[in-house]
Amino acid sequence: GAVVSQHPSWVICKSGTSVKIECRSLDFQATTMFWYRQFPKQSLMLMATSNEGSKATYEQGVEKDKFLINHASLTLSTLTVTSAHPEDSSFYICSARDGASGSYNEQFFGPGTRLTVL
Amino acid sequence: AQSVTQPDIHITVSEGASLELRCNYSYGATPYLFWYVQSPGQGLQLLLKYFSGDTLVQGIKGFEAEFKRSQSSFNLRKPSVHWSDAAEYFCAVASNQAGTALIFGKGTTLSVSS
Repeated sequence: GAVVSQHPSWVICKSGTSVKIECRSLDFQATTMFWYRQFPKQSLMLMATSNEGSKATYEQGVEKDKFLINHASLTLSTLTVTSAHPEDSSFYICSARDGASGSYNEQFFGPGTRLTVL
Repeated sequence: AQSVTQPDIHITVSEGASLELRCNYSYGATPYLFWYVQSPGQGLQLLLKYFSGDTLVQGIKGFEAEFKRSQSSFNLRKPSVHWSDAAEYFCAVASNQAGTALIFGKGTTLSVSS
């Protein structure tokens, strides 16, 4: 149980276009989802926290107008990279917290999405 | 502020030898502590976690970690490393407040030599 999927697993796009990444909790309801960004050979940096039905909370330095996050249901959160540029190329990973698990901060990670902007 | 330090960027261990990866954290109260493993191009897999209780935690794949409050450490160990253990290892900390994100260390790359 506790599976989180991401789609697509990798995407290549042209500079200036927008890309949407989906994060789904397959067998549990995720009251909170997190989006992380990972540069090559580096750690995961938290971008934003999203709670179902409310606006996402962005970390300092993350442009909310560029990285649009929507958490419209308990099983789906989306991250849209708007007007993507080569510097947005990265590995994006989501995690989801099972609201019913009773375990604080038991988070389950998706497999990640590799974004390459040409 | 919470932070995690993994002092070793890269470690090479011979296959069959023991392994210890270091992790130190900074947090005002007792944190929740995690170790994750990441293979190239893959997501994260949870190896083990510590919330409370016994300070020696057993995880998957033969890994264990010991929480030492006095040293603010949560080192990961394995008695005998296998070639398939070569990967990136991340230590992470979280508060006990529901809904807070994990704070990750910079990671340690483990190479296994034959």
